[in-house]
Amino acid sequence: SQQGEEDPQALSIQEGENATMNCSYKTSINNLQWYRQNSGRGLVHLILIRSNEREKHSGRLRVTLDTSKKSSSLLITASRAADTASYFCATDIRGGSNYKLTFGKGTLLTVNP
Amino acid sequence: GAGVSQTPSNKVTEKGKYVELRCDPISGHTALYWYRQSLGQGPEFLIYFQGTGAADDSGLPNDRFFAVRPEGSVSTLKIQRTERGDSAVYLCASSLNIASGRETQYFGPGTRLLVL
Repeated sequence: SQQGEEDPQALSIQEGENATMNCSYKTSINNLQWYRQNSGRGLVHLILIRSNEREKHSGRLRVTLDTSKKSSSLLITASRAADTASYFCATDIRGGSNYKLTFGKGTLLTVNP
Repeated sequence: GAGVSQTPSNKVTEKGKYVELRCDPISGHTALYWYRQSLGQGPEFLIYFQGTGAADDSGLPNDRFFAVRPEGSVSTLKIQRTERGDSAVYLCASSLNIASGRETQYFGPGTRLLVL
């Protein structure tokens, strides 16, 4: 079963615009991570946010976490065509085995040049 | 340094055959994970190794699936009597250790398995 659900399932924007993707999850977590996947192959780790953090930045990425709502958002600013990919959130469950990541179904982002 | 590598990148087999998928983790990473990703879905956990031992194999779908990591480095995922439903991308990941619970998992490019 999948813990996280990304929203929207697909997003199409123009280069230079910002892209926001959301993730909701069901059970309490230790950490939440965002990954990018190109062409259905290997995943690239983007950012990890801990359950006691509310916001984190990395370059053009901004991640927020609201544990009361069990949700996270990933913002990509000033998007580029190279950002076109699928984006997944992954959680590890509090009290569980914190090595086991549970992924959502992903958001397919298309950035048009 | 080199990332996680997986071979083969693609594997086509016939229903009922046996397949082996190989994963070479990042050097020095003690933790190794296998995930399976079906079309349109996120990766799903299969098995986790800490060193040579399978610490958690709760994600393996049935006893046709087995994985080994005899020397604590390279791992092989073995699938017996393959079925069409086994068709998916099989992803391997490794991390330095799990002591902190926050170690990033680094993924390989995956093996795309197609069972005809």
